[in-house]
Amino acid sequence: DTEVTQTPKHLVMGMTNKKSLKCEQHMGHRAMYWYKQKAKKPPELMFVYSYEKLSINESVPSRFSPECPNSSLLNLHLHALQPEDSALYLCASSRAWGGYGYTFGSGTRLTVV
Amino acid sequence: KQEVTQIPAALSVPEGENLVLNCSFTDSAIYNLQWFRQDPGKGLTSLLLIQSSQREQTSGRLNASLDKSSGRSTLYIAASQPGDSATYLCAVRPNPGGKLIFGQGTELSVKP
Repeated sequence: DTEVTQTPKHLVMGMTNKKSLKCEQHMGHRAMYWYKQKAKKPPELMFVYSYEKLSINESVPSRFSPECPNSSLLNLHLHALQPEDSALYLCASSRAWGGYGYTFGSGTRLTVV
Repeated sequence: KQEVTQIPAALSVPEGENLVLNCSFTDSAIYNLQWFRQDPGKGLTSLLLIQSSQREQTSGRLNASLDKSSGRSTLYIAASQPGDSATYLCAVRPNPGGKLIFGQGTELSVKP
């Protein structure tokens, strides 16, 4: 298995909702990442997990809460989002944090209404 | 501060042409450079990864070169096809523990 799987593919949520994005990989990668991408822009790093521990938080608002329950799974919990948070959320993994190539998932298209 | 630039922002070519996409970076002290492809509304597909000690990498019709001293990388696509239409992103990793720094991408359209 050489894929990063993200669910759901599309999500519409209200500003008072709580939802979660899920990311899964079975490549034995020990680093996992969340990126946010707006239209016509490159991806922006949000969080890095290395060996299931949060290594980097790029000053992301607390309405985004990441979780890494095990080495294969990464979640992003969403609460009280704003319309400007609408974007494509990408998950990626690499063999380890530092110097290795990335494998990206197909993303979750999030719309906040 | 490392900055990555991709020129042109958009490119339209007829099918069958060989083409070159450019990526430049301001600091030559990089650890590696990765080229990605992104179809509209989709995730990124890794095309080629070049370590700082390498000069080029090849995969099928794709060839990526790296010239650290001049701060440039090129992605060469041979015999372009309509299926190559996508946005191509290059990303630089400054050091093993650093994050990827992306260029703005080149949107490629290959016309039948």
